[in-house]
Amino acid sequence: SQTIHQWPATLVQPVGSPLSLECTVEGTSNPNLYWYRQAAGRGLQLLFYSVGIGQISSEVPQNLSASRPQDRQFILSSKKLLLSDSGFYLCAWSNYNEGNEQYFGPGTRLTVT
Amino acid sequence: AQSVSQHNHHVILSEAASLELGCNYSYGGTVNLFWYVQYPGQHLQLLLKYFSGDPLVKGIKGFEAEFIKSKFSFNLRKPSVQWSDTAEYFCAVMRGGGSQGNLIFGKGTKLSVKP
Repeated sequence: SQTIHQWPATLVQPVGSPLSLECTVEGTSNPNLYWYRQAAGRGLQLLFYSVGIGQISSEVPQNLSASRPQDRQFILSSKKLLLSDSGFYLCAWSNYNEGNEQYFGPGTRLTVT
Repeated sequence: AQSVSQHNHHVILSEAASLELGCNYSYGGTVNLFWYVQYPGQHLQLLLKYFSGDPLVKGIKGFEAEFIKSKFSFNLRKPSVQWSDTAEYFCAVMRGGGSQGNLIFGKGTKLSVKP
């Protein structure tokens, strides 16, 4: 069966520090991968998606970037965090051959101080 | 741009009451529709989905949703809620076709069920 992991679960970082959040998926090949930010009362905002290694599309201009160094690894990064980057970050995967619905990870709660 | 509207931000019901959460979307082409649920402290998980066929979709835990194409709606229903249904519910739309599968989410509806 497929599983999705995110770490860390929680993170407190000062303004101006770098960020690296990791997401890995097991049990499926060549998935589409997604990063979302969830804010209270605002639903889920798609930040990045990837249809393959090295292929990243950005949905909103911002202080963050994403990379996909391996088929089932998706990384969310920032060189310098802003206060506004605080939030709950969710990684998800989907596979067209497995119904195309998205499966979500447990999320990372980021607090920028 | 495509958008998804959920009409209620917070719904409070007593156990055994009936539930209907509204969801409307703005995209005019073929769509795939989803309801996700997030129980307190848990992952976001799929409740039900509509891709094609019977517009009345049955999901887990007694939930169902009806796709009404003419109204661009996909409302979620449950005849009798339980305390354990307390959660946040998200409607999501994916443009049909292709393998990309990008979802557009509504802002969510918090459901609180009083025992």
